[in-house]
Order: sequence, then structure tokens, then C-alpha cells
Amino acid sequence: DAKTTQPPSMDCAEGRAANLPCNHSTISGNEYVYWYRQIHSQGPQYIIHGLKNNETNEMASLIITEDRKSSTLILPHATLRDTAVYYCIVRVAEGSSNTGKLIFGQGTTLQVKP
Amino acid sequence: DVKVTQSSRYLVKRTGEKVFLECVQDMDHENMFWYRQDPGLGLRLIYFSYDVKMKEKGDIPEGYSVSREKKERFSLILESASTNQTSMYLCASSLWGVKSYGYTFGSGTRLTVV
Repeated sequence: DAKTTQPPSMDCAEGRAANLPCNHSTISGNEYVYWYRQIHSQGPQYIIHGLKNNETNEMASLIITEDRKSSTLILPHATLRDTAVYYCIVRVAEGSSNTGKLIFGQGTTLQVKP
Repeated sequence: DVKVTQSSRYLVKRTGEKVFLECVQDMDHENMFWYRQDPGLGLRLIYFSYDVKMKEKGDIPEGYSVSREKKERFSLILESASTNQTSMYLCASSLWGVKSYGYTFGSGTRLTVV
């Protein structure tokens, strides 16, 4: 079972920041938070990941709460092309029997509107 | 541009046929994965492999087998296709170790079993 909870859908105005929340209250100390997105009819695309510090790359920012029980993916200036399903996933570190496995939940469908 | 290539985008097969879905990656990744994606059920892990000739069952392995004879190629085999195996099949690969940038997915193969 997925270890994360996300709202099923969200809307965002084009040009505004999109803030996608994720709850992972049972996360373990060696589990990373990953975000992927899937645009219709394509394979999922990696966005960003983090352990406990906030992270930023050219696509997005990831804010993880101090207790690590929740996180927020921020798309700073959403465009129509950001309309997709966004998945928040926790992934165990290497060395466990679950080597590299990603367990996908239902994700959040983000609709960016003009 | 590094990538994961799935041999067919669309495939139609008859019930009872033996079906091979091929996946090739050019990133020298140790891990490779097969998922299926169905409406309302999300992405579910069928099998994965963390090395040549090594494989592990995912969450829904029944009716499927896999083969990994070379590092770059991971094949999913439907021994006797059934209509309930009609689905989108997604292949992915990743480096061994969470310092990697997550999974890279292929574009998917939409299989219809009639």
C-alpha cells in the first residue's frame, strides 16, 4: 500500500505558484520523499526528491516539514504544460530488501487553467 | 539524451498468445522495473530486477514472468495472454542507490488482449 496521502485534485491559475501537499506520517528515518508527474499518455517523469532538507531544482521546490510527516511540492510559475497527475512517494534507502522500489498512490491531478 | 525504450507503443494480441514486451535502457542502470497502469488502480509493480539474471516479484506477478539476460534489456512475458491483462505497461530503470535521480520511465506499451 502507498504510504502517502494526497488530495485527488487541485486547480491552479496559469502563472501562479502551485502548491501540492502530501502527508507521509509513517515515514521512516531512512526513507526519501520523491515526486513524479505523469502527463497524459506518457510515462511518469521524475521531478525532485529529498530526505529532510528543502530542495530546489530547475523544475520545482520541495519543502519537508521538520518532523518529516508532510511535504509540499511547489511549482513556482505554473504553465498549462504542468497539467498532470503528481505523485508523492516515499522510497527506502538502499540496503533494505525493497531495493529501489517505488510504490505509487493515486496522486493529485493538477489542472492549470488560463 | 538518455532514455528507456519500449519496443511497441500499441499492441493487440489474442487470448492465449504468448506475449513479449521488451524494454531497453542506455544508462547502464542496475535496476529495472515493470509496472502496469489501469484507471482507478494507478501504477502497480509487476516485477523488478536489480542485476542481470536477478529478479524479484512485485505486487502483482501472477500471469507474468520476466527475463534479464543483459544489463540493458528487461523483458516482460505474458505466458498466455488473457483479457484482464489489457493495460498500459510501463518499464523503468534506475541506478542502485538513492543518490540517483530516481526512475526513468519509458513511454509505455498499451496492450489490448482480444
